[in-house]
Amino acid sequence: SQTIHQWPATLVQPVGSPLSLECTVEGTSNPNLYWYRQAAGRGLQLLFYSVGIGQISSEVPQNLSASRPQDRQFILSSKKLLLSDSGFYLCAWSVRLAGANTGELFFGEGSRLTVL
Amino acid sequence: GNSVTQMEGPVTLSEEAFLTINCTYTATGYPSLFWYVQYPGEGLQLLLKATKADDKGSNKGFEATYRKETTSFHLEKGSVQVSDSAVYFCALNTGGFKTIFGAGTRLFVKA
Repeated sequence: SQTIHQWPATLVQPVGSPLSLECTVEGTSNPNLYWYRQAAGRGLQLLFYSVGIGQISSEVPQNLSASRPQDRQFILSSKKLLLSDSGFYLCAWSVRLAGANTGELFFGEGSRLTVL
Repeated sequence: GNSVTQMEGPVTLSEEAFLTINCTYTATGYPSLFWYVQYPGEGLQLLLKATKADDKGSNKGFEATYRKETTSFHLEKGSVQVSDSAVYFCALNTGGFKTIFGAGTRLFVKA
């Protein structure tokens, strides 16, 4: 069966410090990968998605970046965190279909980031 | 553009009460519709889905019917339990990489 893990689960960082959140998927090959952010009391905002190694699409311009160094690994990074980067970050994957996307997402447990 | 609107919470119910969480959408084309559930401190899990008009998705006693004429996908459950306390998200996807989520509705069920 497929599983998705992300870490760390909780992170408290000072403003201006770097960030690295990691996500790995097991039990599937060639998944589409996603990073979402969930701000308190709000819905989910898609930050990045990837359809393959080294292929990253950004949905929202910001000081965050994403990388996919391996097929089942997705990393969210920042060189200098802002207060507004605080939130709950969710990694997700979906089955890759030729020319289409089912829209069904499988989420990790989430990483709560507090920037002070 | 595509969007999802769901009723604001929190919704507070007593155990065994009937639940309805309203969801309406705006989309071009023919979207697939989803309900996801998020338990405290966890990620989201798919609860149910429907891919075409008049389809009914169901799971764990929850149901939702894809109503194209009213562009709605309301979530219902006949008898809620304390363990159903969570945040519920309505979502749509039109085949691209971007799944659009509503703001979420928090449900509290009291014993």
